[in-house]
Amino acid sequence: DAKTTQPNSMESNEEEPVHLPCNHSTISGTDYIHWYRQLPSQGPEYVIHGLTSNVNNRMASLAIAEDRKSSTLILHRATLRDAAVYYCILRAGNQAGTALIFGKGTTLSVSS
Amino acid sequence: NAGVTQTPKFRILKIGQSMTLQCAQDMNHNYMYWYRQDPGMGLKLIYYSVGAGITDKGEVPNGYNVSRSTTEYFPLRLELAAPSQTSVYFCASKLDRANNSPLHFGNGTRLTVT
Repeated sequence: DAKTTQPNSMESNEEEPVHLPCNHSTISGTDYIHWYRQLPSQGPEYVIHGLTSNVNNRMASLAIAEDRKSSTLILHRATLRDAAVYYCILRAGNQAGTALIFGKGTTLSVSS
Repeated sequence: NAGVTQTPKFRILKIGQSMTLQCAQDMNHNYMYWYRQDPGMGLKLIYYSVGAGITDKGEVPNGYNVSRSTTEYFPLRLELAAPSQTSVYFCASKLDRANNSPLHFGNGTRLTVT
């Protein structure tokens, strides 16, 4: 899988939007962009994924650059419960049997 | 649905002891995975399975064994526990090979080997 680069940590205030960046300059045409997050003392949970177009779901939005070399996870109104480690992962569309490889991710702190 | 259930939640082992970490899923998922997470680090893949009777090694398989006799269960075996195996272990499952099929994780087993 191609490599991703994320900031080690970010801070936000409650009820403000949060933009979590991810660089993936070596992405290939078949790589999907996945985001997971890990709350303290829990296993990771799926947030969102996309290939080329921007995506929205009840948890977040995913904005993908036109050249696909970067993407941004957007939390529209941060809550204290959103404090977690956020992982940006690439997965090739033809690598169905292999697992997602998790890096260190971005630790998001949310203040009230 | 209980999702992915891992037992035990916590365990302390002495060096050289053995144990089995249990993982069960009730979602009829074909793909199952074992990861370990050391403090402050990301997850590393130990073993995975794409269906009953089929297992394969991940990044860090040494010191571990797995079996997948049924779709529901994917136990992880440690034969001779070592301090380097002190970690949090996560089991995950996935319905199928499709990329819009997300991974579901259990809440982990925290293992300490002393």
